[in-house]
Order: sequence, then structure tokens, then C-alpha cells
Amino acid sequence: DGGITQSPKYLFRKEGQNVTLSCEQNLNHDAMYWYRQDPGQGLRLIYYSQIVNDFQKGDIAEGYSVSREKKESFPLTVTSAQKNPTAFYLCASSIDGRWVKDNEQFFGPGTRLTVL
Amino acid sequence: GQQVMQIPQYQHVQEGEDFTTYCNSSTTLSNIQWYKQRPGGHPVFLIQLVKSGEVKKQKRLTFQFGEAKKNSSLHITATQTTDVGTYFCAGRPNQAGTALIFGKGTTLSVSS
Repeated sequence: DGGITQSPKYLFRKEGQNVTLSCEQNLNHDAMYWYRQDPGQGLRLIYYSQIVNDFQKGDIAEGYSVSREKKESFPLTVTSAQKNPTAFYLCASSIDGRWVKDNEQFFGPGTRLTVL
Repeated sequence: GQQVMQIPQYQHVQEGEDFTTYCNSSTTLSNIQWYKQRPGGHPVFLIQLVKSGEVKKQKRLTFQFGEAKKNSSLHITATQTTDVGTYFCAGRPNQAGTALIFGKGTTLSVSS
């Protein structure tokens, strides 16, 4: 059963701690994305990766870091430098990261992070 | 920065009424995608429009892409309770190396 998995569904952390959100896909997609969703704010792009070992900052990358060592995995670290980390985080992937022709994005179930 | 504006932010209708959400960009878009997110769920792709003036239908849903490729709309005919959710448009500005920009979404509620 192919798809995108994100774990855990709910995550609680104390202020000042770094936390890493998991995103795995078995769709053999080249491109992967991280979005942040806040109420009434839509989806805002944090980081994206068009191919393994390469990634680019999105609109709100400050306080976040990523790695793309494997095609299947694109973990997101929320660092203590992120001023307001409590949010719903969505990971997505698409077949081809080259923006010559767009492909639909497949989203994972999301991780709801609460920083206390 | 570049933005994709979506209106209205919220819409409540009675079951059977029609519903429309509009998406507008300040710059020309190479394409536009529409997604639906059910309450508590994640966005799911509905459709992609690429050509100027393109119109596509999916059962009760009609999607349009403006002639200038700066706006788009999603129209639902005779809404049902299963249509409840947030509808997002996502457009790619017509310039190299630019990621999809999502609108803030329109949240539809339907009462029976």
C-alpha cells in the first residue's frame, strides 16, 4: 500500500527543545515538501527537495532544518530558534520535482506539534 | 511577495444550494491546482488547470482558469454534506524556479 507516512500524529515538546518530524514515502517520488498549516493561513512552504541530497528554502524556513539523504525520507527539524513552532505540519511528495510540468502533490496525514 | 488570494474565507450553505470559491493572483500563473481538505484530514488533489480559459468538470464540481491565467474558480452545484471541508487553490507563478503558492482556502460548511 503506497503512500506517505508521518509520525507521530501528535507531538508535545517543551520550549527550547529541538524536535524532528518524520516523513517517509514509498511512491518513488523525486520531490518532497514540508508545509506548515495554521488556522486561517493556508499552507506555507517551509522547505522542499527536488532530488536526493538537494533541498531549497521555502517562504518560512527560518528556525527549521531538513535533510534528504534518501529518496524515501525527508525529516524536518524544528529548532529552538523557531519563535512560534506550535502548528500542524504536512509533508507532501510529487513524482517529478522539475517545475517544467507540475504534478499533483500527495500529502501525508500530518503531525500536530504543540510546544509547551 | 507573490500571493494567491482566495475568497471567501468561509461559506455556509444549505444543502442543495450552489457554492463558488475564487482564486486570484497578481501575476500570471503557469498552472493552477485545487485541493480539498476534510475536517481533521489532509489536502487531497482534485484537479489541475493549465490552459488559458480552461474549464473542467468533475460531477457536480466545475473548475475554470481565467483567460489571463491570473484567476480561477471552483463551483459546486447542489451541495451535499459530503462537500464539507476546506478548498485550496495553488498556483505556480509563470517564472522559472518558483514553487506552488497556496491560497488560504475557503472553508465550506453545509447544513441539511
